[in-house]
Amino acid sequence: DTAVSQTPKYLVTQMGNDKSIKCEQNLGHDTMYWYKQDSKKFLKIMFSYNNKELIINETVPNRFSPKSPDKAHLNLHINSLELGDSAVYFCASSQDPTEQFFGPGTRLTVL
Amino acid sequence: GQQVMQIPQYQHVQEGEDFTTYCNSSTTLSNIQWYKQRPGGHPVFLIQLVKSGEVKKQKRLTFQFGEAKKNSSLHITATQTTDVGTYFCAPNQAGTALIFGKGTTLSVSS
Repeated sequence: DTAVSQTPKYLVTQMGNDKSIKCEQNLGHDTMYWYKQDSKKFLKIMFSYNNKELIINETVPNRFSPKSPDKAHLNLHINSLELGDSAVYFCASSQDPTEQFFGPGTRLTVL
Repeated sequence: GQQVMQIPQYQHVQEGEDFTTYCNSSTTLSNIQWYKQRPGGHPVFLIQLVKSGEVKKQKRLTFQFGEAKKNSSLHITATQTTDVGTYFCAPNQAGTALIFGKGTTLSVSS
């Protein structure tokens, strides 16, 4: 059973489009996260949700909007995609303050 | 805000050599976690250190937390090709989220 799953695994799209990435965890964790990893492997937190409530919102453009319909899901919607949005996006979950479990990642390429 | 420095950024070793990566914080930490990311993979949790001066071992990996809880290290003895990947430290300051270091990418030639 996959603990943290993300879809899609790959996403190739044109500049200006809107896209969503979905994340689900079956670990019963209260906290979920979105990270962006750039080409230099720098792993930067974007958002954190605890029991469906936003608790961390780092400096990301407001084109990025997370949505948590329930504590097992945290989706990421991106409007008006730009070239600089190309990266690998990781979802993760944890039962704070313990280890984080990462999903397999979504490689987003904006053309 | 919290500053995290991880060095070196890259390290290449011959199989059988030792490897160490260091993580330094500008502030006192509540705890520190270490993760490994294989090429093309996702970060995987290795360990969490909580106590001042703590040393933990996992087979050939030795993790240390500094006495002042501002730095940490990961040492791998006799590297193997399976150790290839990027090692991240993730310091945690009370009341804040994990901040990942920029990672040390290890390559091993046989």
